[in-house]
Amino acid sequence: DTGVSQNPRHKITKRGQNVTFRCDPISEHNRLYWYRQTLGQGPEFLTYFQNEAQLEKSRLLSDRFSAERPKGSFSTLEIQRTEQGDSAMYLCASSSQEEAFFGQGTRLTVV
Amino acid sequence: SQQGEEDPQALSIQEGENATMNCSYKTSINNLQWYRQNSGRGLVHLILIRSNEREKHSGRLRVTLDTSKKSSSLLITASRAADTASYFCATDSSGGYQKVTFGTGTKLQVIP
Repeated sequence: DTGVSQNPRHKITKRGQNVTFRCDPISEHNRLYWYRQTLGQGPEFLTYFQNEAQLEKSRLLSDRFSAERPKGSFSTLEIQRTEQGDSAMYLCASSSQEEAFFGQGTRLTVV
Repeated sequence: SQQGEEDPQALSIQEGENATMNCSYKTSINNLQWYRQNSGRGLVHLILIRSNEREKHSGRLRVTLDTSKKSSSLLITASRAADTASYFCATDSSGGYQKVTFGTGTKLQVIP
């Protein structure tokens, strides 16, 4: 499968714990996006990478959130000291020119 | 914040009927994309229309774009039960780099 891959697919964590998600984009894509989606809403932009450079970070992303894309390949999104409000689907997408292709997402539940 | 807003928020039609969804956005764009999302799943890219295009077809899908009104429509002809999903429009900002921003979605139900 050469699509966008996200791991894990599901994560249940206790409030206050740290979690890390991984996204493997389509190999030739230089752009990578993270989005968060809650039930009944559209995906909300979190952050964007072009190669290894993080070009934009949404104000939705508090200091507890950090994303990296070392060497411009896979990306990780870490949430520290999780809160119940962090429960959502976290989506990753990649693109080379115009069309963005999405992974299946990581569903986070904070209990 | 959401760039686009889809209208209607929910739509229920009989199989075989056509479904039309609209999207309005706020800022200048390079292109507009439509996506489908089945419940609890990832987003599937349907079609992209560039800012200098007015209409585009792909199979049973027809997309229009009116940049003067900052709006787009997605028409699904001869709908099928399998078309039941949420549909989102997404726009990129015509700035120095591409950032794709989504609308709030239209939930389509096609009744067999």
